[in-house]
Amino acid sequence: AQSVTQLDSHVSVSEGTPVLLRCNYSSSYSPSLFWYVQHPNKGLQLLLKYTSAATLVKGINGFEAEFKKSETSFHLTKPSAHMSDAAEYFCVVSPRSGRQLTFGSGTQLTVLP
Amino acid sequence: DTEVTQTPKHLVMGMTNKKSLKCEQHMGHRAMYWYKQKAKKPPELMFVYSYEKLSINESVPSRFSPECPNSSLLNLHLHALQPEDSALYLCASSRDSGYTFGSGTRLTVV
Repeated sequence: AQSVTQLDSHVSVSEGTPVLLRCNYSSSYSPSLFWYVQHPNKGLQLLLKYTSAATLVKGINGFEAEFKKSETSFHLTKPSAHMSDAAEYFCVVSPRSGRQLTFGSGTQLTVLP
Repeated sequence: DTEVTQTPKHLVMGMTNKKSLKCEQHMGHRAMYWYKQKAKKPPELMFVYSYEKLSINESVPSRFSPECPNSSLLNLHLHALQPEDSALYLCASSRDSGYTFGSGTRLTVV
């Protein structure tokens, strides 16, 4: 079984300040972990993914996430927020060998000017 | 080609209409998926096709009928829908742990 908890439903930051979106997972096997972003009325875009290599994963648009097995966390960070980062973010877990994605409930990121 | 293409982008249909959503990928992915997403919610899995055979049906009402004519195409046939079926319908494909989502079809049932 697997589950994902996104600890914040809404996060608000000022432009140019750091972003932290928190995600904890539960899995009975070695998981693959993903962060997806969804802009209004758009599909899902992959930001980054962890499969089994380096625990610090770098993604697109300056985002990165660190896989911490001891804390069962996969938090998403960005050093400096941009207005275009305002969107819904989903943390997702799947079995490394399987095809079932389990989505977190999402975090709405607002970037203030 | 690294995309999943969905058509149409928008669809308005009456409750007595029959329509179809189309999804296409040319990445050689052998697993394809339909998801339904309501506003402010995560996507919910509807169907999974693996090697063109239906492998998972998440108790979806029969007014939704999936079809996988070949390894590149996935259709979702719609008939006698209800207003609560209005949502964004997302198609995805995958190979190993690499998933790609389409941009979705925004469906409105009137």
